[in-house]
Amino acid sequence: ILNVEQSPQSLHVQEGDSTNFTCSFPSSNFYALHWYRWETAKSPEALFVMTLNGDEKKKGRISATLNTKEGYSYLYIKGSQPEDSATYLCAFPDDADSSYKLIFGSGTRLLVRP
Amino acid sequence: ETGVTQTPRHLVMGMTNKKSLKCEQHLGHNAMYWYKQSAKKPLELMFVYSLEERVENNSVPSRFSPECPNSSHLFLHLHTLQPEDSALYLCASSQTMSVTAHEQYFGPGTRLTVT
Repeated sequence: ILNVEQSPQSLHVQEGDSTNFTCSFPSSNFYALHWYRWETAKSPEALFVMTLNGDEKKKGRISATLNTKEGYSYLYIKGSQPEDSATYLCAFPDDADSSYKLIFGSGTRLLVRP
Repeated sequence: ETGVTQTPRHLVMGMTNKKSLKCEQHLGHNAMYWYKQSAKKPLELMFVYSLEERVENNSVPSRFSPECPNSSHLFLHLHTLQPEDSALYLCASSQTMSVTAHEQYFGPGTRLTVT
């Protein structure tokens, strides 16, 4: 079973700061990488599905990049706001089994102070 | 109602009880999933259904029994659970099972406590 690593585990920033965090995954047999945002007491919400090396996707102030050769993806938040406080999860298909089974990382917990 | 709904949101049950968790998706999706999140652990896939057929049973104990009567509804039947089964149970759906093409849409979860 493969491992999806996320760092840092948690992050506290001031409102207005820009921030980024990392998802690391095995670089062999890449299928896709998912990013989700999970606010407390709410449902996890899909941010991006990334499939191509060099992919860069953007949704408002949030963007993500993908490097499949070296096995990492970065998530960036520009000008963090308190409403960005959430746990950010990445997920990767378990290529030892099938391409539909997502393995989730433990997440990066972001707290944005007003 | 839109998206993915789950009932109940909270459940406390004894080890000898039988209960069921319900999930409904209003998105017209063909794949549905049950996930478990135990304290301080990542989300863990339990079951996958595609077009009402079970595709994955991720080594889950038989005290958890899924049912998918149609593409909009998914149940998780629980019986003789253990205290270590206390967790957040999340339902999700996606247009198809293909993770290269489709993201998953999650419900809010059922917080289960087994006493």
